[in-house]
Amino acid sequence: DQQVKQNSPSLSVQEGRISILNCDYTNSMFDYFLWYKKYPAEGPTFLISISSIKDKNEDGRFTVFLNKSAKHLSLHIVPSQPGDSAVYFCAAKSETSGSRLTFGEGTQLTVNP
Amino acid sequence: EAGVTQFPSHSVIEKGQTVTLRCDPISGHDNLYWYRRVMGKEIKFLLHFVKESKQDESGMPNNRFLAERTGGTYSTLKVQPAELEDSGVYFCASSQRYAQGSGNTIYFGEGSWLTVV
Repeated sequence: DQQVKQNSPSLSVQEGRISILNCDYTNSMFDYFLWYKKYPAEGPTFLISISSIKDKNEDGRFTVFLNKSAKHLSLHIVPSQPGDSAVYFCAAKSETSGSRLTFGEGTQLTVNP
Repeated sequence: EAGVTQFPSHSVIEKGQTVTLRCDPISGHDNLYWYRRVMGKEIKFLLHFVKESKQDESGMPNNRFLAERTGGTYSTLKVQPAELEDSGVYFCASSQRYAQGSGNTIYFGEGSWLTVV
């Protein structure tokens, strides 16, 4: 039973354009959502997060949107840069799960120069 | 400051053998986690230590997996005997004790790649 899903295994965009990565979840108890970025041969690194009491959080070129009613969140990167090429993981946690994170399968983003 | 370090970075073993993975968390981090990514799928939680105590081991797949954290410092994850389906990347992560409310303080290591043949 996969509670966090990233249905697009890959995404390719042109440099300077917007990248939109999507994530859906099924567990209504999730109250905190995170995006991690992973380069090859490295561990995941935290990118941005959002609490369930908000619907948007912005940090520079990165914005995360949360639609609780649809159990959907998305990560927008604008403008996209070649250095953004990586695997992006969506993750979620709930008060009852403590600090345990539930991850999606990841989306490989490729930003072409 | 050193990050989360894992050893070995890669390991190839035969089915039935034993492998022990080691993780050194960031100094001062009481929370230590093990996660696993199999065959390009999602990263799955295995277990969580607070210092030397197992806080949550609900993600451990079966009794072939044994995790320890001696003295609340480094941790080991032993797989014995290894099966083909155990192949994957094993990530260790750590965080400060009172920083459990947000995921941005969970730091991951580079992972240990395990291949069982």
